[in-house]
Amino acid sequence: AQSVTQLDSQVPVFEEAPVELRCNYSSSVSVYLFWYVQYPNQGLQLLLKYLSGSTLVKGINGFEAEFNKSQTSFHLRKPSVHISDTAEYFCAVSVGGGKLIFGQGTELSVKP
Amino acid sequence: GAVVSQHPSRVICKSGTSVKIECRSLDFQATTMFWYRQFPKQSLMLMATSNEGSKATYEQGVEKDKFLINHASLTLSTLTVTSAHPEDSSFYICSARQGARSNQPQHFGDGTRLSIL
Repeated sequence: AQSVTQLDSQVPVFEEAPVELRCNYSSSVSVYLFWYVQYPNQGLQLLLKYLSGSTLVKGINGFEAEFNKSQTSFHLRKPSVHISDTAEYFCAVSVGGGKLIFGQGTELSVKP
Repeated sequence: GAVVSQHPSRVICKSGTSVKIECRSLDFQATTMFWYRQFPKQSLMLMATSNEGSKATYEQGVEKDKFLINHASLTLSTLTVTSAHPEDSSFYICSARQGARSNQPQHFGDGTRLSIL
């Protein structure tokens, strides 16, 4: 069965510093991978997705992620974070029927 | 594009009340809609998958008589929490997917915070 593990529940970082949010998945078949962001009391907004092709995908708000098949990882990165990036980030894998399996979430806290 | 509207955003009601939550895709037709439940500081748990014109598929452990789902059109799905009790208090989020392919992303509504007194 597919699963998603986000290795860090909380990531504190100072403004303008780089950040990496880690995500590992387990699957025996080809996967589609997504990163979503959730601001307080809101739904989820799609940051980026990996379907096929280039392993480096760029998303909105300056985020990017790299698909690494050998390490079964899909880590999210941003070279310089802003206060407004403070939010909960979820990694997800699409399984049969298009259902999403979410990781536990990583709370990114950007401090001035 | 790909906007999903969820209404209401917040509901506070007495125990025993039934509550209906609407999920609309505003600028696309959604073949499939999903309903999630999210507890504080936790991830999203899929409750059911709703396909237009057919019965919803519920995840294991979700009571289909408790959480009634209707997907009568390609732009509207509703979740009715019947005879709600305090343990049903939660954040409910819907999502919609355009098309049937599993590589198409889901677009999420802003959620409904349900509080049962």
